[in-house]
Amino acid sequence: DGGITQSPKYLFRKEGQNVTLSCEQNLNHDAMYWYRQDPGQGLRLIYYSQIVNDFQKGDIAEGYSVSREKKESFPLTVTSAQKNPTAFYLCASSIDQGTGQGRPTNYGYTFGSGTRLTVV
Amino acid sequence: ELKVEQNPLFLSMQEGKNYTIYCNYSTTSDRLYWYRQDPGKSLESLFVLLSNGAVKQEGRLMASLDTKARLSTLHITAAVHDLSATYFCAVARWEGGKLIFGQGTELSVKP
Repeated sequence: DGGITQSPKYLFRKEGQNVTLSCEQNLNHDAMYWYRQDPGQGLRLIYYSQIVNDFQKGDIAEGYSVSREKKESFPLTVTSAQKNPTAFYLCASSIDQGTGQGRPTNYGYTFGSGTRLTVV
Repeated sequence: ELKVEQNPLFLSMQEGKNYTIYCNYSTTSDRLYWYRQDPGKSLESLFVLLSNGAVKQEGRLMASLDTKARLSTLHITAAVHDLSATYFCAVARWEGGKLIFGQGTELSVKP
């Protein structure tokens, strides 16, 4: 079955450490996204990518970095510059039906199961 | 800047009752999505509304879209405990296909 796989499910980060969250999809989707969710709040966009080797900052990109070397993969690195990284991180993907803009179509986004990151 | 606001943010209701969650957004968009999130879980797609006047129903949930008023509603009919979850609406921004999410409505259905 096609889907999005995020790993690990739980991640603990020490102060000053960089950690990388994995996101892999086998849906052949063009666009991929990273969102952050804090307790009791909505989702905020960190980074997104519409095509391989290209990505854009979202609303809260500071302290994060991404890469998109393969269509299937969009890893997120939480760097030591992110001072409050404890949150639930969700990866999503959507198909671009030739609009060239990565607009989510009739199907919206498909979400991964999430990674819960905690600073220890 | 596109903003999406839901109300109420918290909703406690009794089984068998009806209620409506509202989703207002600030700028023009032609796509609105509703998602459900169970505690500690990811988001599950419920409805996609693509045009003015669109109405979709699945079981006890019905979603509608009024693009002129920039308003979507999620109506719950005869609530049951299994509907307890957090419900998000999300609106597509023209550039980049980004979805902007509302704050979420935490629904608790009690016997």
